[in-house]
Amino acid sequence: AQSVTQLGSHVSVSEGALVLLRCNYSSSVPPYLFWYVQYPNQGLQLLLKYTTGATLVKGINGFEAEFKKSETSFHLTKPSAHMSDAAEYFCAVIGGFKTIFGAGTRLFVKA
Amino acid sequence: EAEVAQSPRYKITEKSQAVAFWCDPISGHATLYWYRQILGQGPELLVQFQDESVVDDSQLPKDRFSAERLKGVDSTLKIQPAELGDSAMYLCASSLGGQGARGETQYFGPGTRLLVL
Repeated sequence: AQSVTQLGSHVSVSEGALVLLRCNYSSSVPPYLFWYVQYPNQGLQLLLKYTTGATLVKGINGFEAEFKKSETSFHLTKPSAHMSDAAEYFCAVIGGFKTIFGAGTRLFVKA
Repeated sequence: EAEVAQSPRYKITEKSQAVAFWCDPISGHATLYWYRQILGQGPELLVQFQDESVVDDSQLPKDRFSAERLKGVDSTLKIQPAELGDSAMYLCASSLGGQGARGETQYFGPGTRLLVL
């Protein structure tokens, strides 16, 4: 069985500051890991994913995430926050064949 | 750019009524997913289709929910009768469904927001 824990339901940063959204997972098999973003009243959009290979994954809009097997983590970062980054972010894991989503982290960006 | 289409975008109904949601996946995508997203939570998979076949409906409340994808293209999710606790966003997603299915990107539609009064 697999699960996902996103630490912090809300994160607030100033514009230009580092964004760090935390995700820890559990999986009995090598996981595939994803980060999605959701804007109000919209569906989810893929930011980035890790399947195999390089553990540092770069995505859209300047986001990246690093797969750390020893820490069972897949934290999302962006060096400099922009107002347009304000949204809900979901980490997801596929251990078997079913996608399990975390509860989400809402990112607020202050001017 | 191809998108997943869903309708309606919003639905208000009274409890005990029947509701239906429609999803048209990206052309050529063999795998179709229906998720339920309760406010403040992440999406939860209700049912997954590979072409016209159900491959996972373990979380689908089968006493009131049904889903079909008769020709392996578009899909309908039905709730009958609706209950207050069914108020949520219902998201449809699709993916290519090829050999790399496990790591494939899922493309989401805009969702149907259901309110049951």
